[in-house]
Amino acid sequence: GAVVSQHPSWVICKSGTSVKIECRSLDFQATTMFWYRQFPKQSLMLMATSNEGSKATYEQGVEKDKFLINHASLTLSTLTVTSAHPEDSSFYICSARGTSGSTDTQYFGPGTRLTVL
Amino acid sequence: GENVEQHPSTLSVQEGDSAVIKCTYSDSASNYFPWYKQELGKRPQLIIDIRSNVGEKKDQRIAVTLNKTAKHFSLHITETQPEDSAVYFCAAAQNTGNQFYFGTGTSLTVIP
Repeated sequence: GAVVSQHPSWVICKSGTSVKIECRSLDFQATTMFWYRQFPKQSLMLMATSNEGSKATYEQGVEKDKFLINHASLTLSTLTVTSAHPEDSSFYICSARGTSGSTDTQYFGPGTRLTVL
Repeated sequence: GENVEQHPSTLSVQEGDSAVIKCTYSDSASNYFPWYKQELGKRPQLIIDIRSNVGEKKDQRIAVTLNKTAKHFSLHITETQPEDSAVYFCAAAQNTGNQFYFGTGTSLTVIP
C-alpha cells in the first residue's frame, strides 16, 4: 500500500527559530499534498493544499508568510514554520493524494510533534 | 467553505454494546465522507467511507449511513470491543482526492 513518511517525528526548538518538516510519498507520486494541524484533543484543521510546481493554497486564517510550503517534487513537500512561538506547538500531519485502483484517495503521514519552548 | 459538525464529543459504552456517532455537513457539493480512527499520537486511519451515490455501507462491525437531503451521516459500531477505544473523526470532501474538512472528533471509550 501507499506509504507517506514525515520527518522529523518530533522536534523541540527555541522560540524565534525556524523549523522545517518534510512529507514524503515513498512509493507513489503525489501531485497534491495537504498539511493539517492538530492541537491536543482537537480536530485536524486543514492549513493548506500543496501542489507540485506551484504555489500552495492556504486556508483562511493561516499566515502564508509564517507557514512556508514548498512542493518541489512529486514525492516531497516541506512545511517551514518560521519564527516559531509557543503557540505554534502542535501536531502537524500531512497527507498525499494517490490512486488506489481507479480512485483517488489520501494517505496520511505519521505526524510531526512540534514543541516550541 | 465546508463546515462539519460532529456529536457527541465523548462517548462511553459497555463492551458488546453499539456506538453511534453523528455528523452534519453544510456544503451540498461534498460527495465523499470518510471516517477515521486515531489513537493517541498516531496518524488517522481510514476505517470506512461512503460516497453520495450510496445510502449505506457496511464492513463487518462498522457501518455508515448517509442522508444527502438532510446533509448528515453516521457511523455505527456494533459489538464494541475495548480496542475500539480511540478518537473518531468524520470528514467531508468534494471528491476523494480533494481537501478533507474534519469534524471535531468523538472520544470513544469501551468499558470492559
